[in-house]
Amino acid sequence: DQQVKQNSPSLSVQEGRISILNCDYTNSMFDYFLWYKKYPAEGPTFLISISSIKDKNEDGRFTVFLNKSAKHLSLHIVPSQPGDSAVYFCAASPTNFGNEKLTFGTGTRLTIIP
Amino acid sequence: EPEVTQTPSHQVTQMGQEVILRCVPISNHLYFYWYRQILGQKVEFLVSFYNNEISEKSEIFDDQFSVERPDGSNFTLKIRSTKLEDSAMYFCASRAGYTEAFFGQGTRLTVV
Repeated sequence: DQQVKQNSPSLSVQEGRISILNCDYTNSMFDYFLWYKKYPAEGPTFLISISSIKDKNEDGRFTVFLNKSAKHLSLHIVPSQPGDSAVYFCAASPTNFGNEKLTFGTGTRLTIIP
Repeated sequence: EPEVTQTPSHQVTQMGQEVILRCVPISNHLYFYWYRQILGQKVEFLVSFYNNEISEKSEIFDDQFSVERPDGSNFTLKIRSTKLEDSAMYFCASRAGYTEAFFGQGTRLTVV
């Protein structure tokens, strides 16, 4: 039951270029979406989030786009830097308050090539 | 910057033994979670905890699992009789309310 899907297990991007990571979801109840970054042997680190009332949220080099009708979101990193090499997880929940659990995608391993 | 801390970082245990994984959530947070990641797979929800009781648990969280917040600061996950398939990274997370969840660095559990 993959409610959150990241169809690209890996992505390689040249340093300085744009990295685009994609995520699709199937559960219409999801209203809050997050991206987490994970280095080996560390826990997921929060990057950026978006609620369904918006279609874009920007934080420095990171921008998340949400297309609710397509049930699709994407994370743009520009410019990409070597330190961005990590596994990126898309996550979703019905709301952004209370004790709602997160449902994670399978992750995309991003490699930035110097 | 406040962080969620987990101990131990790595635990090796024999099948059938009990293990306790420990977490210290961020101090003003109200909601606590355990997730796990089997090698190469996605991060999966195990259980959420609020106001000293379980709010929600997944199918994975069967009778062999329990959680406790014994002293107002620690948050523990106990596996009563470990199985080989319990081998995974276990992540504790906490959140204040209208914020994102903050994750600990994880405990790698290896059942042999």
